[in-house]
Amino acid sequence: AQSVAQPEDQVNVAEGNPLTVKCTYSVSGNPYLFWYVQYPNRGLQFLLKYITGDNLVKGSYGFEAEFNKSQTSFHLKKPSALVSDSALYFCAVRDRDSNYQLIWGAGTKLIIKP
Amino acid sequence: DVKVTQSSRYLVKRTGEKVFLECVQDMDHENMFWYRQDPGLGLRLIYFSYDVKMKEKGDIPEGYSVSREKKERFSLILESASTNQTSMYLCAARASGTRTDTQYFGPGTRLTVL
Repeated sequence: AQSVAQPEDQVNVAEGNPLTVKCTYSVSGNPYLFWYVQYPNRGLQFLLKYITGDNLVKGSYGFEAEFNKSQTSFHLKKPSALVSDSALYFCAVRDRDSNYQLIWGAGTKLIIKP
Repeated sequence: DVKVTQSSRYLVKRTGEKVFLECVQDMDHENMFWYRQDPGLGLRLIYFSYDVKMKEKGDIPEGYSVSREKKERFSLILESASTNQTSMYLCAARASGTRTDTQYFGPGTRLTVL
């Protein structure tokens, strides 16, 4: 069965330190991969995506993610965390053979402490 | 940017009531989606519509129906609300036939069924 795992319910990072939010997936074939962010009391916002090409993808707000095919991972990273990065982060995957449906992870709450 | 609006941010209904959640997008996108978001479960797809008057069931359609009479509007209907339908409901829109595949989300409706 196709699935997405975000193994950490919550990640705590001190402001200024690098952050990583983990995502692994199980999808047949080559996937499209996405990260979305949800700030408190707001809808989801698109952050970045991997479609093809360079394995390192850069997105909004200084975030980046690395596609690792052998490890079936797509971890979200940022070199220096800001308090304003505190939010709920979702990883999502789409099988290239599927027209519509995204498979979503359960979400990881990121807390950046001053 | 695509703008997706939802008719209510917060809604309180009683068990057995018929509930309408409205979603409107302003970018002429063909595909629209309804999700529910529950803590620890991520986003679960209820229904999606790939064009006007077209709809398909998602992962959890039971107890819900949808209507798409116009391209810009996608309605979610709870025929007889139950307490287990208390949740955050998110609507999204996406252009079809593109490689971008980005879904754009509304702010969400937090529904409480008493």
